[in-house]
Amino acid sequence: DGGITQSPKYLFRKEGQNVTLSCEQNLNHDAMYWYRQDPGQGLRLIYYSQIVNDFQKGDIAEGYSVSREKKESFPLTVTSAQKNPTAFYLCASSTGTDFGYTFGSGTRLTVV
Amino acid sequence: GENVGLHLPTLSVQEGDNSIINCAYSNSASDYFIWYKQESGKGPQFIIDIRSNMDKRQGQRVTVLLNKTVKHLSLQIAATQPGDSAVYFCAERSGYSTLTFGKGTMLLVSP
Repeated sequence: DGGITQSPKYLFRKEGQNVTLSCEQNLNHDAMYWYRQDPGQGLRLIYYSQIVNDFQKGDIAEGYSVSREKKESFPLTVTSAQKNPTAFYLCASSTGTDFGYTFGSGTRLTVV
Repeated sequence: GENVGLHLPTLSVQEGDNSIINCAYSNSASDYFIWYKQESGKGPQFIIDIRSNMDKRQGQRVTVLLNKTVKHLSLQIAATQPGDSAVYFCAERSGYSTLTFGKGTMLLVSP
């Protein structure tokens, strides 16, 4: 079955450490996205990529980095520069600009 | 599960009732709208979409209404079931931009 997979589901990080969240899709989608979700808030865009080897900053890119070396993969690194990294992170993909997004099941990151 | 519903507007209904969830969008240039459903601990799931050249679209037990004059979107769920309990998000897009999501509404369905 085609889908989008995020791993791990739960992740714990010590303050000052970088951590990378995985996102893989086998839907042959060109575009991929990372969103952050906090309680009581909507989804906020961190980074997105519309094609391999290219990505754009979203509304809250500070303290995060991404890469898009393969069409199927769009990993997100939460760096030590992110002041409040504890959140639920959602990855999504789409065929392009004319359709909605397919979401993964999310990764819950907790800084301890 | 994820407490994404904390502090969200909440709609409480009885099983079998019809539910109406509302969304005010901000960009008058938006031309594509989507409703998503998010259950606790899961990613959002697509429910139904509508383009700005339409004012109504129906799916299975769901209807989306779009009023561009007042920039308002609504999702109607017929014969609401306990399994419909979730957070519902609207999202909008203008042209080739990315989707912008609303903050969501929690729907609670009592048996």
